[in-house]
Amino acid sequence: SQQGEEDPQALSIQEGENATMNCSYKTSINNLQWYRQNSGRGLVHLILIRSNEREKHSGRLRVTLDTSKKSSSLLITASRAADTASYFCATDQTGANNLFFGTGTRLTVIP
Amino acid sequence: EAGVAQSPRYKIIEKRQSVAFWCNPISGHATLYWYQQILGQGPKLLIQFQNNGVVDDSQLPKDRFSAERLKGVDSTLKIQPAKLEDSAVYLCASSFSIRDQPQHFGDGTRLSIL
Repeated sequence: SQQGEEDPQALSIQEGENATMNCSYKTSINNLQWYRQNSGRGLVHLILIRSNEREKHSGRLRVTLDTSKKSSSLLITASRAADTASYFCATDQTGANNLFFGTGTRLTVIP
Repeated sequence: EAGVAQSPRYKIIEKRQSVAFWCNPISGHATLYWYQQILGQGPKLLIQFQNNGVVDDSQLPKDRFSAERLKGVDSTLKIQPAKLEDSAVYLCASSFSIRDQPQHFGDGTRLSIL
């Protein structure tokens, strides 16, 4: 499969805790992107990290990329109930013109 | 900035009927995508347009699915005839260009086949 694989499939935490989601992929990439999807809505772009970058921050989000291990992680710090959603990684693969989405991590933040 | 608009939001049809979805991308976005998202899975690309030309339709079941983007703006996706396995959410997305750009998604059309 060309898709990424997120781990875990589901994650439940208390409000204020940190949440970490992982993504593994199989081919070389130009960049890797993370998206959030609230129930019944479309995907919302969170962050893009290029293949020559190792870490990127955006507000409470921190993304790392290890191209040697073909993996990425998304850390959400000080989680809020509003962070409850599914999170997807998507790879922009070398030689392709579109994104390949993973299967997603379902995050539940308990107030 | 107005987002990606899709209609209808929900559609219920019987198998073997036809259905069409409409998408209006963000103004100025040259690249438009149609995805199929089956419950519990990530989106799967069906077709990608650059302006009004097709960039990738390798995952589109061409015996029953068709899509067009006349004048390089709005797009329609059609299924004829529908099968039970077509039950899914159909998402439209757009981006400024193909490379190194985030995609902006509409809220999708939830299709149920009876």
